[in-house]
Amino acid sequence: SAVISQKPSRDICQRGTSLTIQCQVDSQVTMMFWYRQQPGQSLTLIATANQGSEATYESGFVIDKFPISRPNLTFSTLTVSNMSPEDSSIYLCSVELGAGNTIYFGEGSWLTVV
Amino acid sequence: GENVEQHPSTLSVQEGDSAVIKCTYSDSASNYFPWYKQELGKRPQLIIDIRSNVGEKKDQRIAVTLNKTAKHFSLHITETQPEDSAVYFCAAGSGNTGKLIFGQGTTLQVKP
Repeated sequence: SAVISQKPSRDICQRGTSLTIQCQVDSQVTMMFWYRQQPGQSLTLIATANQGSEATYESGFVIDKFPISRPNLTFSTLTVSNMSPEDSSIYLCSVELGAGNTIYFGEGSWLTVV
Repeated sequence: GENVEQHPSTLSVQEGDSAVIKCTYSDSASNYFPWYKQELGKRPQLIIDIRSNVGEKKDQRIAVTLNKTAKHFSLHITETQPEDSAVYFCAAGSGNTGKLIFGQGTTLQVKP
């Protein structure tokens, strides 16, 4: 497996502000994914981020709210824009590794919006 | 749309007993079925996975079975221990996209 680091690990944010989450992988990966896990809930895919192309968003998620960058094969950022308390969640990046597309998760970023 | 149903939502067993969690999926193109364990305040950790060309896979006390015809897959934990207590998520994915659809999660409590 790879080392998948996320920053920040936790943050408390004021409503109306934006926060950018970073995901760093210690090996080059083609696909990176961003998931959201609301309190007590399961994981929901926000978008797929491939290097050199725009992110592909899932139904219910839009670029204006969750802009994503993927400048190279080891790094990605997710911005949560104009936050409201409903955005309080764990945000997880994940990568696909190996020929069998095994998915591993980063450490997660716990966001609380007040 | 694509959907994964997971049951039960909570499961309580005595230490040493077995635990079984079941999932069904809707997308016939799914060919990758991982299971994740999430302890409180931590990220989901992959514990075992199975692919569509295999019917069963075992790793020590953990096993997963897959019935592609019925679109069912299950996690079996034998000789449960208190440290097995966590939330378990099943997921289904298709090889080309890397995207995973998750079940709702099962909270497993193993009583000493």
